[in-house]
Amino acid sequence: DAGVIQSPRHEVTEMGQEVTLRCKPISGHDYLFWYRQTMMRGLELLIYFNNNVPIDDSGMPEDRFSAKMPNASFSTLKIQPSEPRDSAVYFCASTMLAPSGTQYFGPGTRLLVL
Amino acid sequence: TQLLEQSPQFLSIQEGENLTVYCNSSSVFSSLQWYRQEPGEGPVLLVTVVTGGEVKKLKRLTFQFGDARKDSSLHITAAQPGDTGLYLCARSGGSNYKLTFGKGTLLTVNP
Repeated sequence: DAGVIQSPRHEVTEMGQEVTLRCKPISGHDYLFWYRQTMMRGLELLIYFNNNVPIDDSGMPEDRFSAKMPNASFSTLKIQPSEPRDSAVYFCASTMLAPSGTQYFGPGTRLLVL
Repeated sequence: TQLLEQSPQFLSIQEGENLTVYCNSSSVFSSLQWYRQEPGEGPVLLVTVVTGGEVKKLKRLTFQFGDARKDSSLHITAAQPGDTGLYLCARSGGSNYKLTFGKGTLLTVNP
């Protein structure tokens, strides 16, 4: 079975440009999560969806960040305009409604904003 | 904010040695998960502990949940280079599936 798929794996852009990160969750999973990982702050939850509906976006750093989930198999995280401090690894994870609550992570997108 | 403190932050050992890493919180949590993250990959769940005092074993890895459910430890026996990675603990927010992660322990096992 395919796991969580993220694209691109690496992105280098210049400050001020728009960046769009993409995620395909595991088929049948009801929840989708976006995380950001940096050395300084560790792994932080940005936003999560349940059945394509945003449930908690309290971790989204500011209005430059937005996330959508138009259907059960696709989500995007957009940064506009990007800034150097947005440089990080962004992970998408998904899970299904189950007692274990195991989250399955994608391989991440490594973003560098120059 | 209910923080998870992990220690040590970095650990470098020789193959065959034993080690223990820790995850602590000032507040009680309902369950705790341990993940391992290899370079260039996402975290992968190793175990979930739920009951205070619970001990779980996964081959050479032993996980313990403190009696008061405020702390947990991971012990690795006879470490191997394949154990190298970032070990993260995460507390569950219950049924809302939110996880709060510690910053992790970066383990390097040298051959």
